[in-house]
Amino acid sequence: QVQLQESGPGLAKPSQTLSLTCTVSGVSIRIAGYYWSWLRQQPGGGLEWIGYTYYAGRTYYNPSLKSRLTISLDTSKNQMSLKVYSVSVADTAVYYCARGLQRQGYFDFWGQGTPVTVS
Amino acid sequence: QSVLTQPPSASETPGQRVTISCSGSSSNIGSNFVYWYQQLPETAPKLLIYRNDQRPSGVPDRFSASKSGTLASLAISGLRSEDEADYYCAVWDDNLSGVIFGGGTKLTVL
Repeated sequence: QVQLQESGPGLAKPSQTLSLTCTVSGVSIRIAGYYWSWLRQQPGGGLEWIGYTYYAGRTYYNPSLKSRLTISLDTSKNQMSLKVYSVSVADTAVYYCARGLQRQGYFDFWGQGTPVTVS
Repeated sequence: QSVLTQPPSASETPGQRVTISCSGSSSNIGSNFVYWYQQLPETAPKLLIYRNDQRPSGVPDRFSASKSGTLASLAISGLRSEDEADYYCAVWDDNLSGVIFGGGTKLTVL
């Protein structure tokens, strides 16, 4: 059974770098065809795609966030990570990791989400 | 303001049918598959519909969806109280080179 679990600091200060980790179990992140994704949901708001990456190296980022993001994989730990640089109050959100497909709005397995407050 | 337009709310009584629309453009809905997600309160979204009209295993056939041109629709028949949730459409946008979501529709079962 595929499971994803996010972890992170919960709180960040403006201008800092936010680092989140997603631990994947039940499947290798090297599985062919699937992209490992980050999404977020601001308080009272809708879903926003942050970006996703493939083990073989291709990464897609939300154009509106691209300059402040790094998404990477650690295949030895079966984990994915997200770094958001120079955070502001607007980055306060619940952050989700999920498994997706290239160039699709498809996300079949999700983590439970980790709340992050920038203050 | 989202590139995909959904009504912010919808409501219907138990047992009835409700339809939620998702309007886009040629660069997204018009040229790519549409996906639908259900988000129950305080939970992660769940994939409800994939590739315009396909249901993952375990999703009841009360849920159906369609796409025509740049408009996609989700229909829920035989409404139940447990269907009360937020529903989102999602699609790849060729111009933005990214995944976009509709603003979400809050469904209330009266």
